[in-house]
Amino acid sequence: DSGVTQTPKHLITATGQRVTLRCSPRSGDLSVYWYQQSLDQGLQFLIQYYNGEERAKGNILERFSAQQFPDLHSELNLSSLELGDSALYFCASSVRASASNTGELFFGEGSRLTVL
Amino acid sequence: TQLLEQSPQFLSIQEGENLTVYCNSSSVFSSLQWYRQEPGEGPVLLVTVVTGGEVKKLKRLTFQFGDARKDSSLHITAAQPGDTGLYLCAGVGSGDDKIIFGKGTRLHILP
Repeated sequence: DSGVTQTPKHLITATGQRVTLRCSPRSGDLSVYWYQQSLDQGLQFLIQYYNGEERAKGNILERFSAQQFPDLHSELNLSSLELGDSALYFCASSVRASASNTGELFFGEGSRLTVL
Repeated sequence: TQLLEQSPQFLSIQEGENLTVYCNSSSVFSSLQWYRQEPGEGPVLLVTVVTGGEVKKLKRLTFQFGDARKDSSLHITAAQPGDTGLYLCAGVGSGDDKIIFGKGTRLHILP
C-alpha cells in the first residue's frame, strides 16, 4: 500500500461526457502528479501540483484540467470525452516540491476510464 | 521534448538466465529512476541514480547511469519468476519538475 488513494477504481462513460478523478496523496506529501497510461503511449505526464499551485505541465489536453485543494487532495477533470481518452489514470505523490531533488514518486492504484 | 526509449519492449526468458534492459535518451537528466509495475498496481520505485557513471546494486539487480547522464541500464542476474513485470525508467528533468517515463520493458520469466 503506497498510501496514495485514487477513486474511482473503474469508470465507464460515454463520449461527450465529463468525469472527475480524485486523488488523496500520502500523508505529508505536498506534490501531486497526474499521469495517463495507455498501451501504445506508455505513462504520459499530464500535470504536477505543489501545495495547491501548478508546478509543471506535460501533455495535458485543453479538455482536461486539474487542481489541488487546501487539504492537498487533487482532482483531474476530463471533459468532452473521446474514445481515445480510455486509459489508466495514475496519481502519484512526493514529499518534495521539485523533481530535481530526486524525490520518489508514490503511485496510487489508478483509475481505469473506459469511454464507449 | 524529452523522450526516453526503452529496449527491448518485451522479453521472455527462462528462470536462471541473465538479462539487460536499456533506457536511452538524447536528453540529459539530473537523475534517473527505475520503477517496476505489476498488473493492477501503480509503479513502485526500485532505485534512483544521480551521478554519471553511478552503479547501484539491489540484490540481483544492477543499475547503471551513463557517464553523460543520458542513458541507463538494468541488469538482472539469475532471473526468477518473481521478477516478472513492467520495468519503467523515468528521467528527472534538468531545470524543470517533470518526471518523464519511458514506455517500459515487459519482462516475463518462465519457470
